[in-house]
Amino acid sequence: SQQGEEDPQALSIQEGENATMNCSYKTSINNLQWYRQNSGRGLVHLILIRSNEREKHSGRLRVTLDTSKKSSSLLITASRAADTASYFCATDSNTGFQKLVFGTGTRLLVSP
Amino acid sequence: KAGVTQTPRYLIKTRGQQVTLSCSPISGHRSVSWYQQTPGQGLQFLFEYFSETQRNKGNFPGRFSGRQFSNSRSEMNVSTLELGDSALYLCASSLESVWDGYTFGSGTRLTVV
Repeated sequence: SQQGEEDPQALSIQEGENATMNCSYKTSINNLQWYRQNSGRGLVHLILIRSNEREKHSGRLRVTLDTSKKSSSLLITASRAADTASYFCATDSNTGFQKLVFGTGTRLLVSP
Repeated sequence: KAGVTQTPRYLIKTRGQQVTLSCSPISGHRSVSWYQQTPGQGLQFLFEYFSETQRNKGNFPGRFSGRQFSNSRSEMNVSTLELGDSALYLCASSLESVWDGYTFGSGTRLTVV
């Protein structure tokens, strides 16, 4: 079963605009990760945020985590056509079970 | 360094047949995980191997199995294929655990007819 639910399911913006995607999850976690997937290919790891962190940056990416609300957001600033992809959040569990549970994904379309 | 390599990229099989998919992790990565991705169910965890041992298993029937070799390469096998097994099968490797972050292969697209 999927723990993460992402919102919105699809997002369409123009190049240069910012894109914000939200993820909610159900159980306590050790960390939350964001991945990108282009056209049904393999996923690319974008960023990992630990449960004791509230915000993390990587280039044009900014991730926030609110463990009290069991939610995270991914902000992509100054988007480019190359950012067009599906974005997934993924959570582990704090039980030590070695797997990630992926959300449903947000399909981002960035138009030139 | 080389990424995660999955072979074959595409596969068409007939119902009832079996299939073996291969995954070569990044050198030095000891954990290999497998995921199934379908439009209806999304990304579902199959199993995870570490040092040739299955450490975790998802909720899939026994027709799905896997193994890991001493060089960390992994294979997964699906026997008695069903139409519903059509999916993108993704392999991911990490240094030791999920907390290291995954590197995914490009996947094997399996179509069962």
